[in-house]
Amino acid sequence: DAGVIQSPRHEVTEMGQEVTLRCKPISGHDYLFWYRQTMMRGLELLIYFNNNVPIDDSGMPEDRFSAKMPNASFSTLKIQPSEPRDSAVYFCASRPRDRLNQPQHFGDGTRLSIL
Amino acid sequence: RKEVEQDPGPFNVPEGATVAFNCTYSNSASQSFFWYRQDCRKEPKLLMSVYSSGNEDGRFTAQLNRASQYISLLIRDSKLSDSATYLCVVRDYGGATNKLIFGTGTLLAVQP
Repeated sequence: DAGVIQSPRHEVTEMGQEVTLRCKPISGHDYLFWYRQTMMRGLELLIYFNNNVPIDDSGMPEDRFSAKMPNASFSTLKIQPSEPRDSAVYFCASRPRDRLNQPQHFGDGTRLSIL
Repeated sequence: RKEVEQDPGPFNVPEGATVAFNCTYSNSASQSFFWYRQDCRKEPKLLMSVYSSGNEDGRFTAQLNRASQYISLLIRDSKLSDSATYLCVVRDYGGATNKLIFGTGTLLAVQP
């Protein structure tokens, strides 16, 4: 079975440019999560969706970050304009309908470097 | 205070050793607990859930102490392949919250 698919795997761009990260969750999973991981702060939840609806975006660092989920099989995380401090690994994860102890399945991540 | 706190390590142990990791969480309303494993430059993967009565999966034993808000992971007879970062994870319920809170991880290096 296909897991969570993220693209691109790596992105290097100059500050000020728009960056778009993409995610395809596992088919049938109702929840989709976007995380950011850095050495200093670890894995931080940015936003999550339930049935394509954003539920909690309190982790989104600022207005430069936006996320959408136009349908059950696709989500984007956009940074505009990008800054060097946005450099991190961005993970997308999905999970089936809420049941106790249901694990999240992570994609391979996008390594983002803003120069 | 961080919501989930772990000793970052590194823990350097010889093959065959027993090693234990601890984790504390701040929200007494937390309902579910997990250990995830993350290999270098890879995504986190669920290692095991943590149940109130404690649970074991082969060489791995997880325990939960709700009164002290403390979670532990014990690895017996450690293997080289156990080298990874171990993430303590807490899930909150209630209201609109349905999030996993990750600790920053404990790095384990098993030496030959």
